[in-house]
Amino acid sequence: KAGVTQTPRYLIKTRGQQVTLSCSPISGHRSVSWYQQTPGQGLQFLFEYFSETQRNKGNFPGRFSGRQFSNSRSEMNVSTLELGDSALYLCASSLGQGVVDTQYFGPGTRLTVL
Amino acid sequence: AQSVTQLDSHVSVSEGTPVLLRCNYSSSYSPSLFWYVQHPNKGLQLLLKYTSAATLVKGINGFEAEFKKSETSFHLTKPSAHMSDAAEYFCVVSVPQAGTALIFGKGTTLSVSS
Repeated sequence: KAGVTQTPRYLIKTRGQQVTLSCSPISGHRSVSWYQQTPGQGLQFLFEYFSETQRNKGNFPGRFSGRQFSNSRSEMNVSTLELGDSALYLCASSLGQGVVDTQYFGPGTRLTVL
Repeated sequence: AQSVTQLDSHVSVSEGTPVLLRCNYSSSYSPSLFWYVQHPNKGLQLLLKYTSAATLVKGINGFEAEFKKSETSFHLTKPSAHMSDAAEYFCVVSVPQAGTALIFGKGTTLSVSS
């Protein structure tokens, strides 16, 4: 099976712009979660989508949003970019059957905000 | 609240010697525990997971971890380090009350010298 794919792999934006990141889960997986990884804060949970609905949300401002399509692909959007949004954004997919599900991670999108 | 503490930010070993990466967790509930590895510019790969079955968990690439409830620990070990083991390792906790959100430790960088 193909793994989790994320596009683009690298992005450079300027402050105030918005950005959309994409994640394609492993075939058959219905849950997609997003995480932000920074040197200072480490890995933090953003949100999870299951069957096109946000099922869980971390402690991030409303500038961070997402959605999931009927084929389970997910997008994450960040509006009004700030310098502190520079990070590696990882998505993970799982079957969505419960908290003991294994989450499989993609390679990430490296976002740089100038 | 749930949390996980990785006791060493950096561990250095020689090739062929044992590896020990230490992790303590804090949880009011029965946790699921994971170890993930991240190689440079790569996503996260699951090494092993504990979900209340056997307390000694065997993972990929010769790694194993032991769940010790009395010590609230989940240390990762490997009998003999290989150069390819050099990477960052994350101890992760999941509890039902947090939904599917994974809670990550700050990570331990493992260096392996020849």
